[in-house]
Amino acid sequence: QGQLVQSGAEVQKPGASVKVSCKASGYTFTGHYMHWVRLAPGQGLEWMGWINPDSGATYYAQKFQGRVTMARDTSISTAYLDLSRLTFDDTAIYYCVRDPVGSRAYYMFDYWGQGTLVTVSS
Amino acid sequence: QSALTQPPSVSGSPGQSVTISCTGTSSDVGSYNRVSWYQQPPGTAPKLLMYEVNFRPSGVPDRFSGSKSGNTASLTISGLQAEDEADYYCSSPTSSPTFMLFGGGTKLTVL
Repeated sequence: QGQLVQSGAEVQKPGASVKVSCKASGYTFTGHYMHWVRLAPGQGLEWMGWINPDSGATYYAQKFQGRVTMARDTSISTAYLDLSRLTFDDTAIYYCVRDPVGSRAYYMFDYWGQGTLVTVSS
Repeated sequence: QSALTQPPSVSGSPGQSVTISCTGTSSDVGSYNRVSWYQQPPGTAPKLLMYEVNFRPSGVPDRFSGSKSGNTASLTISGLQAEDEADYYCSSPTSSPTFMLFGGGTKLTVL
């Protein structure tokens, strides 16, 4: 049974950047796309983009293009989300989620990390 | 593209059935048989509840069922139990450049 374990909560100031990590275990890390999804207070889930851990290719939702970077380190089966130029509206729980269909983005998520709370506060 | 439309809340008594709708457009729900549903109990991460409209992952009780008609997908929970109290989200692929949409979420209260 696969598992995704994320890094701990972060507090950042407006204008700063945050980096969240997501360590995968129990399955072949490079065999499945990884997506990032966030849940802001009082809002619904919001998809941010995906990374192909095998090739490193990425695709970002339009809303985040220019200030999001997704990366991976295959040697330690870990994916990373980097979000820059933070605003108060970026306060949310950030989840890494696995796409179960290998070799492409199917936009279905079977494994979820426990979530990382990012708080943007002055 | 806007989020898929879900009712903010639904409620029912134990043993009853409830249905949660998820309305999109011909570019998303209407075009793809890949609607998924996620259940998020309080204080936990979401969990995959239904995929490809009406398929349940292993371990999901058959009290949960899914359907789709045109641009609207639905999740029906029969024989409501207290443990079903959670937030429920639908999702669907959509056309470029957005590729992926979620619903705004529905809070289910078991009375």
